[in-house]
Amino acid sequence: SYVLTQAPSVSVAPGETARITCGGDKVGNKNVHWYQQKTGQAPLLVISENDDRPSGIPERFSGSNSGNMAILTISRVEAADEADFYCQIWSSTSDHPVFGGGTKLTV
Amino acid sequence: QVQLVQSGAEVKKPGASVKVSCKTSGYTFSSSDINWVRQATGQGLEWMGWMNPYSGTSGYAQKFVGRVTMTRDTSTSTAYMELTSLRSDDTAVYFCARVAYGSGEPIFDNWGQGTLVTVSS
Repeated sequence: SYVLTQAPSVSVAPGETARITCGGDKVGNKNVHWYQQKTGQAPLLVISENDDRPSGIPERFSGSNSGNMAILTISRVEAADEADFYCQIWSSTSDHPVFGGGTKLTV
Repeated sequence: QVQLVQSGAEVKKPGASVKVSCKTSGYTFSSSDINWVRQATGQGLEWMGWMNPYSGTSGYAQKFVGRVTMTRDTSTSTAYMELTSLRSDDTAVYFCARVAYGSGEPIFDNWGQGTLVTVSS
């Protein structure tokens, strides 16, 4: 089955840029979605289909996807951005979603 | 606005069953699939299955086949997830999530707040 690999943790200082990666075999050929989950809350969709930002998500959040790596970039990181981030694709072979293991962003 | 409101926390004994509800509002219930995802404490997201509110059809992750049933009540725009033969490793927060379709693929665009199910003797 398809596997998405995320680093367990990323740490950045306020105001810096955070890059959270999601690796997978030819993931650039798939649509990757990103969810932010703050402690005790439900996941929140922050990027859909590689680089689309849902309504209400700050422009500081952006995404890219190419080759074997998708990247969620958060510019001008704020303390309020601290959360776990999950990438997700839809596996057409098994017809179900696949989530990455999650990355804890510490600010 | 779209809202998914789940039922409250449950404590169950091993071998028992639990039924979690997900009451929706702010959109046409029958127009979007509902999926269920669970998360054990400190762990990642685990997909359990989907339910189509229009037809009532459902599909489950292989791991849960035979133990999970996903249903709906269209009169109240509520989706349900029932898990039977509970074990201690079923202790988790259970989320319902509404599906939107981007380029033909499902995206989880709205989530319920989560329901903690604790399985303990």
